[in-house]
Amino acid sequence: NAGVTQTPKFQVLKTGQSMTLQCAQDMNHEYMSWYRQDPGMGLRLIHYSVGAGITDQGEVPNGYNVSRSTTEDFPLRLLSAAPSQTSVYFCASRQAGADTQYFGPGTRLTVL
Amino acid sequence: DQQVKQNSPSLSVQEGRISILNCDYTNSMFDYFLWYKKYPAEGPTFLISISSIKDKNEDGRFTVFLNKSAKHLSLHIVPSQPGDSAVYFCAAPSYNQGGKLIFGQGTELSVKP
Repeated sequence: NAGVTQTPKFQVLKTGQSMTLQCAQDMNHEYMSWYRQDPGMGLRLIHYSVGAGITDQGEVPNGYNVSRSTTEDFPLRLLSAAPSQTSVYFCASRQAGADTQYFGPGTRLTVL
Repeated sequence: DQQVKQNSPSLSVQEGRISILNCDYTNSMFDYFLWYKKYPAEGPTFLISISSIKDKNEDGRFTVFLNKSAKHLSLHIVPSQPGDSAVYFCAAPSYNQGGKLIFGQGTELSVKP
């Protein structure tokens, strides 16, 4: 049982490049989310999904897309990277009806 | 509008002493709170939680206290150990946006031998 996994661990992009951050969970959790962590700001919600085929925006969705074709996977796409997207990205999942979320190890992204 | 606030960015404590990490919130609708612990280069891991129907929850060396009238909670670690050195986040579920967690800014705890 690997929990929540994320790839890659580190990534450097140039402004305007696109990429996909991968997230997978093996706990059969319905809910999955993407957060970003910036210094002095805690974690903020980017996008979330309440089940396969259902996604919605969080607090800071601009510049990001998501899809949820399976229960296990929830990739985050950066369409045209900007320096303001330099951050650490965490994927999380939880069971329906539960408050505790389980986080992946994070992806540290730098946009030059 | 920061609904969950941790006003101390850092805390340094001697090994064996008590660590007290504080958290304040503004939304009286919050009825459940969680503490997460985060080591460098790792994701946050769940530590302990408390429901608003309680004022205290204990798990080994970790105790969380909730004062609803003051909208304040605190995490006590007794005795503190060097392995407790990490960033601690308090969080509250919002019950919208997929049950998103609203996080405080975090407090970096350093436990010195």
